[in-house]
Amino acid sequence: EAQVTQNPRYLITVTGKKLTVTCSQNMNHEYMSWYRQDPGLGLRQIYYSMNVEVTDKGDVPEGYKVSRKEKRNFPLILESPSPNQTSLYFCASSLWSNSPLHFGNGTRLTVT
Amino acid sequence: DAKTTQPNSMESNEEEPVHLPCNHSTISGTDYIHWYRQLPSQGPEYVIHGLTSNVNNRMASLAIAEDRKSSTLILHRATLRDAAVYYCIRNSGGSNYKLTFGKGTLLTVNP
Repeated sequence: EAQVTQNPRYLITVTGKKLTVTCSQNMNHEYMSWYRQDPGLGLRQIYYSMNVEVTDKGDVPEGYKVSRKEKRNFPLILESPSPNQTSLYFCASSLWSNSPLHFGNGTRLTVT
Repeated sequence: DAKTTQPNSMESNEEEPVHLPCNHSTISGTDYIHWYRQLPSQGPEYVIHGLTSNVNNRMASLAIAEDRKSSTLILHRATLRDAAVYYCIRNSGGSNYKLTFGKGTLLTVNP
């Protein structure tokens, strides 16, 4: 089944403790991206990647890192999480830049 | 500015058509218009997309204004399962893959 898989679905952590949210797609898509969703703000893009080793900032990249070492994986790294990064995170992939996005089921992160 | 403007909420009755508007007055000639919807506790789901001409698929129709500054997502017969938040976005594609979703329209479908 074609899908985007995020892990974990839920994560509670403390301020400053490094964490990684994984994202994997099995559709051989070129483009991958990360979003955060907060009440009243909709979805905002954090980072995106157009291919292996090619990444760029979205609208809200501060406090986040990404890497794209393999085509299928696009992990989101929080080196030193803070409470304002408590949010619902979504990973997405698309075949080309104008192709439909396929989203994962989300990761709910709480930073205390 | 890559933002789109949508009404915060709309209401419809079951089995009636629904027209969800979106304003994208600053759209450029190569920007695609995408629509997604999101059910509670789920990731956004692709609905439809287009560039200039109207588009139809099994889920919906997309009507794009001639000047491309606005578009309308049409659900021909709303069902209770269509109740969701609908997002209209501009996708400029290419090397600039910045996608701005905005706050979307919450569609309520009454039985």
